[in-house]
Amino acid sequence: EAGVVQSPRYKIIEKKQPVAFWCNPISGHNTLYWYLQNLGQGPELLIRYENEEAVDDSQLPKDRFSAERLKGVDSTLKIQPAELGDSAVYLCASSKGSYTEAFFGQGTRLTVV
Amino acid sequence: SQQGEEDPQALSIQEGENATMNCSYKTSINNLQWYRQNSGRGLVHLILIRSNEREKHSGRLRVTLDTSKKSSSLLITASRAADTASYFCGINTGANSKLTFGKGITLSVRP
Repeated sequence: EAGVVQSPRYKIIEKKQPVAFWCNPISGHNTLYWYLQNLGQGPELLIRYENEEAVDDSQLPKDRFSAERLKGVDSTLKIQPAELGDSAVYLCASSKGSYTEAFFGQGTRLTVV
Repeated sequence: SQQGEEDPQALSIQEGENATMNCSYKTSINNLQWYRQNSGRGLVHLILIRSNEREKHSGRLRVTLDTSKKSSSLLITASRAADTASYFCGINTGANSKLTFGKGITLSVRP
C-alpha cells in the first residue's frame, strides 16, 4: 500500500512569491490534515478535512494561506504571498477516520529567502 | 495551541537500557497517540491508546495512560541505536476529534 505522497520535497522561493504544496493521501482515507512544523517543534495543525469539507481551519492564516481538497482525495495548500516566517516543513497526513491513527508524508521543506 | 507536553525534552541513554518518556495533557481526551520522527522525515505512528484503556504493548513498546492524572508514558525496552529519534505524543480531543502534538522528546541511544 502506498503511503502519503507529498510534493515537492523541497522548495526555495523569494518572499512575496506564491507557493503551492500537493498531497495525495492513502487510498480510502477520509480524513486529511495539513500541519506546519518549525525546527525543534512539534507539528501544528493548519487545517483538517473530512472528505472534501474543511472541518477545522481555525489555525490557518486565511489572509495568505488557502487549501482545497477536490473530490475528497488530493489536497493542495497554497501560500500567497510567502513571508520569511513561513519557512518550515509542511506535513500532510491522512487517516481512515478522525479517531484513528494518522499516517504522515515526508513533508515539504519550504525556505523563503 | 499544543495540548500535550512531553517530558523530558531530551534523553540520552546507552544501548540496551530502557527509555521512559512522559506526556501530560490538559483536557479530557478521545485517545492519545505516540509517534516517532527521524531527522528530515515525517512522523511514524507507534501506538494509539483510547481513553478507556490503561496499557498497551507493541513489541518493545509499552504505553500506559492515567486519565486521572492526565498523563501517559511510553517505555522502550532494550533500546537500540536505531531508536534514536524524536518522539511526540498526539492528543485527540473534543467532539471534532482534533489531533494536536507537543514539542517532542529527543532520544539519543548511544551504541
